[in-house]
Amino acid sequence: DAGVIQSPRHEVTEMGQEVTLRCKPISGHNSLFWYRQTMMRGLELLIYFNNNVPIDDSGMPEDRFSAKMPNASFSTLKIQPSEPRDSAVYFCASGTGYQPQHFGDGTRLSIL
Amino acid sequence: GESVGLHLPTLSVQEGDNSIINCAYSNSASDYFIWYKQESGKGPQFIIDIRSNMDKRQGQRVTVLLNKTVKHLSLQIAATQPGDSAVYFCAETYQGGKLIFGQGTELSVKP
Repeated sequence: DAGVIQSPRHEVTEMGQEVTLRCKPISGHNSLFWYRQTMMRGLELLIYFNNNVPIDDSGMPEDRFSAKMPNASFSTLKIQPSEPRDSAVYFCASGTGYQPQHFGDGTRLSIL
Repeated sequence: GESVGLHLPTLSVQEGDNSIINCAYSNSASDYFIWYKQESGKGPQFIIDIRSNMDKRQGQRVTVLLNKTVKHLSLQIAATQPGDSAVYFCAETYQGGKLIFGQGTELSVKP
């Protein structure tokens, strides 16, 4: 039973570059969540989708961040242009109703 | 300069002892609560959950207690093992919406 799959696992890039993080949720889950985890702020929800529709993007830090879910099996989180303060571990999670969210193993992003 | 990060509460226990990790949640309307375990380099992993119409739920070696009066949640781990060493997060949600995570507690198990 495949869990939530994220790619890449690690990304190192220079500031100003575009970064795209990818997520494949668990089949059958209708909600998808993007989180960011840092030492300073802990685990923060950035945005979540229900049935591929963005429901709450109030956690997206600024316009440089965007997320899409073109279908039930794929989502992207894009940062353009990237900045050093975006360095963090980004997690994708999926779930359904009153069931616990299942997390991927994250993308560790370093912006130089 | 030196960066300032979150200082996670730390619980250190001897292997074989029972562990109790506590969490205060924020929203009195929250109706579903989850405990997650996060090991280094991995995503949070589901341990156990509880709905607000219950005050106790047991799993394998783990028990979650919910006290809605004081908005308090606890996770009890019986016969703690070295493999239990991790950061533990509680999370709350209302009507299946977004999860709000606590800051986490680091559990260290001494062999």
